[in-house]
Amino acid sequence: GENVEQHPSTLSVQEGDSAVIKCTYSDSASNYFPWYKQELGKRPQLIIDIRSNVGEKKDQRIAVTLNKTAKHFSLHITETQPEDSAVYFCAARYSGAGSYQLTFGKGTKLSVIP
Amino acid sequence: DTGVSQDPRHKITKRGQNVTFRCDPISEHNRLYWYRQTLGQGPEFLTYFQNEAQLEKSRLLSDRFSAERPKGSFSTLEIQRTEQGDSAMYLCASSFSGGALETQYFGPGTRLLVL
Repeated sequence: GENVEQHPSTLSVQEGDSAVIKCTYSDSASNYFPWYKQELGKRPQLIIDIRSNVGEKKDQRIAVTLNKTAKHFSLHITETQPEDSAVYFCAARYSGAGSYQLTFGKGTKLSVIP
Repeated sequence: DTGVSQDPRHKITKRGQNVTFRCDPISEHNRLYWYRQTLGQGPEFLTYFQNEAQLEKSRLLSDRFSAERPKGSFSTLEIQRTEQGDSAMYLCASSFSGGALETQYFGPGTRLLVL
């Protein structure tokens, strides 16, 4: 089955700096890669997602890049703000053969220092 | 609130008791998923439904776990003879199969503590 590795497990940045979180996946058939933000005690919330036929996607201060050959994808947050502090999870999904579940990484705890 | 809802939000039970959790998906969503999340980990897939059909259940953690979605709307997850290792957050998510990316939207979760 799919395996997703996520690094780093913790990340501290100064407000205004950029943050980068990296994930690798094992199943080359995976074709959908979402990123979720989870604040303490709250539900995971989708912040950005990308399909395997796209190399990069941006939404304001957030971008995701995908390298299918290397089987890795990254989340980039620019101009970080204190409200960006949360745990971020990457995930991968293979949609073949009726399989729709997400396989998650272990998460990155991002702390933005004012 | 038109998002995914779960009930109860918290459950404390004694080892050996049975517990049942409910999930109400977003109304037009035909797929519903159950995940378990333990402290410091990402959500772990358990099972999913398309309408009322349970299409994947091999990831349920043991035969003590079962799930239903009898009318293709809300779903229940039951854990029989609970063990302390079952303590975790149980998350439900839903999606619409006709969407381009088929985003999964999560509920707030049910936090289970087994004493």
